[in-house]
Amino acid sequence: GESVGLHLPTLSVQEGDNSIINCAYSNSASDYFIWYKQESGKGPQFIIDIRSNMDKRQGQRVTVLLNKTVKHLSLQIAATQPGDSAVYFCADRPSGGYNKLIFGAGTRLAVHP
Amino acid sequence: DGGITQSPKYLFRKEGQNVTLSCEQNLNHDAMYWYRQDPGQGLRLIYYSQIVNDFQKGDIAEGYSVSREKKESFPLTVTSAQKNPTAFYLCASSSHRSLEYGYTFGSGTRLTVV
Repeated sequence: GESVGLHLPTLSVQEGDNSIINCAYSNSASDYFIWYKQESGKGPQFIIDIRSNMDKRQGQRVTVLLNKTVKHLSLQIAATQPGDSAVYFCADRPSGGYNKLIFGAGTRLAVHP
Repeated sequence: DGGITQSPKYLFRKEGQNVTLSCEQNLNHDAMYWYRQDPGQGLRLIYYSQIVNDFQKGDIAEGYSVSREKKESFPLTVTSAQKNPTAFYLCASSSHRSLEYGYTFGSGTRLTVV
């Protein structure tokens, strides 16, 4: 992803629905991808990661999908809960040399009862 | 428990004053980073350090300075040259040996100019 100084887009969902948060990255040589969750006033926390030799990886209620052809990453959250309300960031690591993550702009997820 | 600690949680700065934000980690991580986050926006990289006694400018380094005299510590000074310092500052660390779990972030320092 590329971090830009724009206000965050917001995804609004009903409690219990599935959420899909999308992210585009620019470097076709990136070999590692990660999703973070940031609650208000706190630091980002790791959710799930995936390496470039995989297309899909599942965690507890979360799934990350990687489409290298179109350089797209998505985070799926099953049965979204109010506690999932936060800002979600994707990040990718361009391969080779120093492992510096490139963060996307972030998406705010708002869960409504 | 291993982790990364930022202090203080809230900091107020007067016009023309330098302030230093603390970041300490006991994860034995080689690399450390400072990010700035403005309300409703993403993360912007200020400075990063791969090893002790070495650091590089990020995308918005002007008005900031850092030091890396110890592996565990990476303090950020917001100087009077930073014209709009009010923001949420995040410190992070990572290991060169493994990128599993990516960066570990601190809980942030909210800086306000008064």
